[in-house]
Amino acid sequence: NFMLTQPHSVSESPGKTVTISCTGSSGSIASNFVQWYQQRPGSAPTTVIYEDNQRPSGVPDRFSGSIDSSSNSASLTISGLKTEDEADYYCQSYDSSNHRVFGGGTKLTVL
Amino acid sequence: QVQLQESGPGLVKPSETLSLTCTVSSYSIRSDYYWGWIRQPPGKGLEWIGSIFHRGNTYYNPSLRTRVTISVDTSKNQFSVKLSSVTAADTAVYYCAREDSGSYQIDYWGQGTLVTVSS
Repeated sequence: NFMLTQPHSVSESPGKTVTISCTGSSGSIASNFVQWYQQRPGSAPTTVIYEDNQRPSGVPDRFSGSIDSSSNSASLTISGLKTEDEADYYCQSYDSSNHRVFGGGTKLTVL
Repeated sequence: QVQLQESGPGLVKPSETLSLTCTVSSYSIRSDYYWGWIRQPPGKGLEWIGSIFHRGNTYYNPSLRTRVTISVDTSKNQFSVKLSSVTAADTAVYYCAREDSGSYQIDYWGQGTLVTVSS
């Protein structure tokens, strides 16, 4: 089964840049779109990146997404970190049978 | 603004069937989007359960396929999920959502409803 692997947690200081990785277990992650969701405690997730590198309206350009075929991974980069960015982040894609898959989630701490 | 609202029992007994309905407002369920269910056990990550297109095409998580049925009622602008033979491991917040039919991006989520499996 296709899986997406994320680091369990990352931490960085306000104003700095952090990158969260999402590695595909098989196939080419570049073949299917990757989304990134932000989830704050007690709330439903919201999209911060869709279709690999697109930002929904209202999401600041401090958030960016990319694909690295050589490592079969997607990345979410947040620059100019703010305390309000502290949340759980999930990547999501799908396999060759169109089964959606979520990564295990990464807890971002901004300290 | 698209709105999705989950409804159903918050407590289900072990071995019984969990049933939830999602009512979609301000948007036709007959549009070219998928309508999906995602769950999140307390303190854990997101798990996709399955998705349906208004014409009835369905996709299910292989790990839940034998226990899950998702259906759509276009006359009521609703879609539903049934999960049979539940155990404590099925205790979770259940979200309904709208998915883009090309990228499977979830662009609208319900607020989520906690379902506890307990006798």
